[in-house]
Amino acid sequence: GQNIDQPTEMTATEGAIVQINCTYQTSGFNGLFWYQQHAGEAPTFLSYNVLDGLEEKGRFSSFLSRSKGYSYLLLKELQMKDSASYLCAVKDSNYQLIWGAGTKLIIKP
Amino acid sequence: ETGVTQTPRHLVMGMTNKKSLKCEQHLGHNAMYWYKQSAKKPLELMFVYNFKEQTENNSVPSRFSPECPNSSHLFLHLHTLQPEDSALYLCASSQDRGTGSYEQYFGPGTRLTVT
Repeated sequence: GQNIDQPTEMTATEGAIVQINCTYQTSGFNGLFWYQQHAGEAPTFLSYNVLDGLEEKGRFSSFLSRSKGYSYLLLKELQMKDSASYLCAVKDSNYQLIWGAGTKLIIKP
Repeated sequence: ETGVTQTPRHLVMGMTNKKSLKCEQHLGHNAMYWYKQSAKKPLELMFVYNFKEQTENNSVPSRFSPECPNSSHLFLHLHTLQPEDSALYLCASSQDRGTGSYEQYFGPGTRLTVT
């Protein structure tokens, strides 16, 4: 079966750096997405990786290793507004998004 | 504001009721999706429409019935639901459902409670 694994919850301190990991086993691979979802709100797109390596976008970076079935989202200079759930999703061979259950990130002052 | 709207935002219905959820996207996208989101579970894809044609139905019970009259509007008709159907129902759209980095844009969701 297809599976996306990510930690259920993480805690970090304001101003610090946090890395959220995602491992996947899917039927085919057509890209990996990261989304942010604040409580009670819609998920919003953060990043897309289809080739190995690091994609940087401001304070957020996303890394992909296709051979290892592994990705991470790196958040720098954490702010209180970064408290949210972070969802990892992989587009499989049928171009369907397979979703992880999300990582709830708690930022403490 | 993502360009995808959903109504109602909250809905409480009995198991014998019939109701409909509405989704509208103002982005000119060709693909639209219905998802179910339950606490601490992955998003569950329910239905996909591409250019108004249903392309996927992920073994969803027949008490959920989708309708896509045009590429901007999507409905989810509900009847004789069960308490376990209580969840957040999210609508999303994307430029296309195929290749490429076409991210999905989500609406705010309808919080459904079945009593």
